[in-house]
Amino acid sequence: DAGVTQSPTHLIKTRGQQVTLRCSPKSGHDTVSWYQQALGQGPQFIFQYYEEEERQRGNFPDRFSGHQFPNYSSELNVNALLLGDSALYLCASSLGTGVHMGYTFGSGTRLTVV
Amino acid sequence: DAKTTQPPSMDCAEGRAANLPCNHSTISGNEYVYWYRQIHSQGPQYIIHGLKNNETNEMASLIITEDRKSSTLILPHATLRDTAVYYCIALSGNTPLVFGKGTRLSVIA
Repeated sequence: DAGVTQSPTHLIKTRGQQVTLRCSPKSGHDTVSWYQQALGQGPQFIFQYYEEEERQRGNFPDRFSGHQFPNYSSELNVNALLLGDSALYLCASSLGTGVHMGYTFGSGTRLTVV
Repeated sequence: DAKTTQPPSMDCAEGRAANLPCNHSTISGNEYVYWYRQIHSQGPQYIIHGLKNNETNEMASLIITEDRKSSTLILPHATLRDTAVYYCIALSGNTPLVFGKGTRLSVIA
């Protein structure tokens, strides 16, 4: 049973560019959440998608946007990249949005902005 | 959601029990206590969660005090592979996971 799959694993982009990160949830899961983890910090919540809609959002600017597809996979888009966007981006899937279900995380995409 | 407080780091000898404390003195009645861990260069991994009763699974045990103001995660026989950052999180409803700084557990041979 495949867990959460994220692609690519590593990415280098130039300041000002745009990037798209992809996530396939664990089989049977229908909710996807995205997190940003800077070096030495805990993951910070970006947003959550359920039924193809953004349900909750953390304190991130509009440069961060997302999408969920009918097969529950998801994309995270970041526009106008800043050096400070360099981080590990984690995707987590769950069944529904309730806290009673544990989240399954992927191994992340390491984004470096130069 | 209630704020949690954890020691920044702990050491544990391999084969011994690792007891990781967490304070959540402002926890409300409908908030669960969740534990996750993050091994270097991997995504966080769910360990266990509970509301007010003690819980045990194949990975760990969770002991919640009767007043629910604190809890302890117990890894009964720590191995080197248990070296990780452990996060204690209190939350309810459909609020997202909010991670603090966690406890960096080092298991020493």
